[in-house]
Amino acid sequence: EAQVTQNPRYLITVTGKKLTVTCSQNMNHEYMSWYRQDPGLGLRQIYYSMNVEVTDKGDVPEGYKVSRKEKRNFPLILESPSPNQTSLYFCASSTGGDYGYTFGSGTRLTVV
Amino acid sequence: AQSVTQLDSHVSVSEGTPVLLRCNYSSSYSPSLFWYVQHPNKGLQLLLKYTSAATLVKGINGFEAEFKKSETSFHLTKPSAHMSDAAEYFCVVRHFNYGQNFVFGPGTRLSVLP
Repeated sequence: EAQVTQNPRYLITVTGKKLTVTCSQNMNHEYMSWYRQDPGLGLRQIYYSMNVEVTDKGDVPEGYKVSRKEKRNFPLILESPSPNQTSLYFCASSTGGDYGYTFGSGTRLTVV
Repeated sequence: AQSVTQLDSHVSVSEGTPVLLRCNYSSSYSPSLFWYVQHPNKGLQLLLKYTSAATLVKGINGFEAEFKKSETSFHLTKPSAHMSDAAEYFCVVRHFNYGQNFVFGPGTRLSVLP
């Protein structure tokens, strides 16, 4: 089944403790993105990648890192999480152009 | 810069009545526009998309949207609401010159009353 898989689905952590949210897609898509969803704000792009080793900032990149060492994987790293990063995070992949994104099921992160 | 306005944060309809979810966009270029749906505690699913072909676009589950350039609108409609349509709906414009940055509107929550 074609899908984007994120892990974990739920995560509670403490301020300052580094964490990684994994994302993997099995569709051989070039493009991958991370979004965060907050009430009343819709989804905002954090980082995106156009291919292996090619990444760029989205609209809200502060406090986040990404890497794209393999085409299928695009982990999101929070080196020193803070409470304002409490949010619902979505990973997505796309072939590019106007095909739209396929989204993962989301990771609900709480930073206390 | 591209942006999206969804005029209603919440729309409530009775089952069997028409649905109208409004979306206006701002884009410096000829845009690509999408509607996504998010059911409670689920990911996002693509409903339909406009990519400069036909201005009336048909999507899944009986939804349609019409691209009106003169009004910079891309409203989502359905003739008859079903209980299963209750969800959050996002209008999205593709940022043409910025990789695959899809700019999302704030969302409209659709409630369907029995």
